[in-house]
Amino acid sequence: NAGVTQTPKFQVLKTGQSMTLQCAQDMNHNSMYWYRQDPGMGLRLIYYSASEGTTDKGEVPNGYNVSRLNKREFSLRLESAAPSQTSVYFCASSPSKAAKNIQYFGAGTRLSVL
Amino acid sequence: AQSVSQHNHHVILSEAASLELGCNYSYGGTVNLFWYVQYPGQHLQLLLKYFSGDPLVKGIKGFEAEFIKSKFSFNLRKPSVQWSDTAEYFCAVMRSNTGNQFYFGTGTSLTVIP
Repeated sequence: NAGVTQTPKFQVLKTGQSMTLQCAQDMNHNSMYWYRQDPGMGLRLIYYSASEGTTDKGEVPNGYNVSRLNKREFSLRLESAAPSQTSVYFCASSPSKAAKNIQYFGAGTRLSVL
Repeated sequence: AQSVSQHNHHVILSEAASLELGCNYSYGGTVNLFWYVQYPGQHLQLLLKYFSGDPLVKGIKGFEAEFIKSKFSFNLRKPSVQWSDTAEYFCAVMRSNTGNQFYFGTGTSLTVIP
């Protein structure tokens, strides 16, 4: 079972470049999430999608956009990358946003912005 | 302000030593509690969770955690650690009054010396 798949695994960008991080899940989950993980900060929620067709801001949305392309896929876009966006990005999914649901994580994308 | 606190940032233990990692949160109301583990180079995996009922929950690989509501705590324990437990451990809280969003602690890095 693939679970949550993220691409790419690694990426290096120059300041001002744009890119899209892809995430797909094969568990028929309704809810999907994007986090960034920084040393000493834990994981912080960037955006989430409670269900297909909806997206909402999390704790640190500035500089990012998201698209819930369909039930399986949830992409994260950096329109103009900045060094402050150097981080490890994790996508997660859960059956729904209801209580008593756990989140399943992808392997992460390590992004460096020079 | 960080509302999920993990006071131990880096713990070093010898094999067979006992482990307790602290997690405190500052939210009122109904919460669901989780411990996730991230082995080197891997994605986050669920260790255990608490939704309701018995406040002492058992997870995988011999880990357990106790929810003490009066102390807003959900400490992780293991009686005897192994070298393979070397990883980063994250406490997470799902708050029902914020749309069931997850809030993660900053993580505790555990190194077990053979």
